[in-house]
Amino acid sequence: DTGVSQDPRHKITKRGQNVTFRCDPISEHNRLYWYRQTLGQGPEFLTYFQNEAQLEKSRLLSDRFSAERPKGSFSTLEIQRTEQGDSAMYLCASSFQTGGGEKLFFGSGTQLSVL
Amino acid sequence: KQEVTQIPAALSVPEGENLVLNCSFTDSAIYNLQWFRQDPGKGLTSLLLIQSSQREQTSGRLNASLDKSSGRSTLYIAASQPGDSATYLCASEMDSSYKLIFGSGTRLLVRP
Repeated sequence: DTGVSQDPRHKITKRGQNVTFRCDPISEHNRLYWYRQTLGQGPEFLTYFQNEAQLEKSRLLSDRFSAERPKGSFSTLEIQRTEQGDSAMYLCASSFQTGGGEKLFFGSGTQLSVL
Repeated sequence: KQEVTQIPAALSVPEGENLVLNCSFTDSAIYNLQWFRQDPGKGLTSLLLIQSSQREQTSGRLNASLDKSSGRSTLYIAASQPGDSATYLCASEMDSSYKLIFGSGTRLLVRP
């Protein structure tokens, strides 16, 4: 399978714990995105990488959130001191820079439940 | 601030029917507009991408149109099938910002 893969698929944690999600993009894609989706809503942009550089962060990404993409390959999204409001589906997507509008390829997401 | 709206929120049709899903946006200065399909508990699959200079895109039984002046896009599905049942989302990209702004989606059920 050469699509975008995310791990884990599901994560249940207690409020106040730290969690980390991983995303492996399509290998030749140089752009990687994180989105968050709550039930009945469309995804909301969180952050974007071009290669290893994090170029944009949404105001939704509080100080408790941090994302990395070492060496421009896989990416991790860490949430510290989780809150119940962090419960959502966290989606990763990747694309290849073509100079125009690019199709995004999404992973199946990590469903986070904070108890 | 761009706002994307999709109406209706849910739609149920009998198999074989042609149908139109609507997407409206408030800022016409879009870079492109994309339509996605999402199955329950899954990620999104890109269906069609329309650049701002284009009026429509077609893929199989799907046709998407874009009218920037009126702030509207439609997704036309011909001869619907039960396998088309899913949530369909539209998203606009502004000024090659690489950030997509999504609508809340239309949940489609095609009854056999």
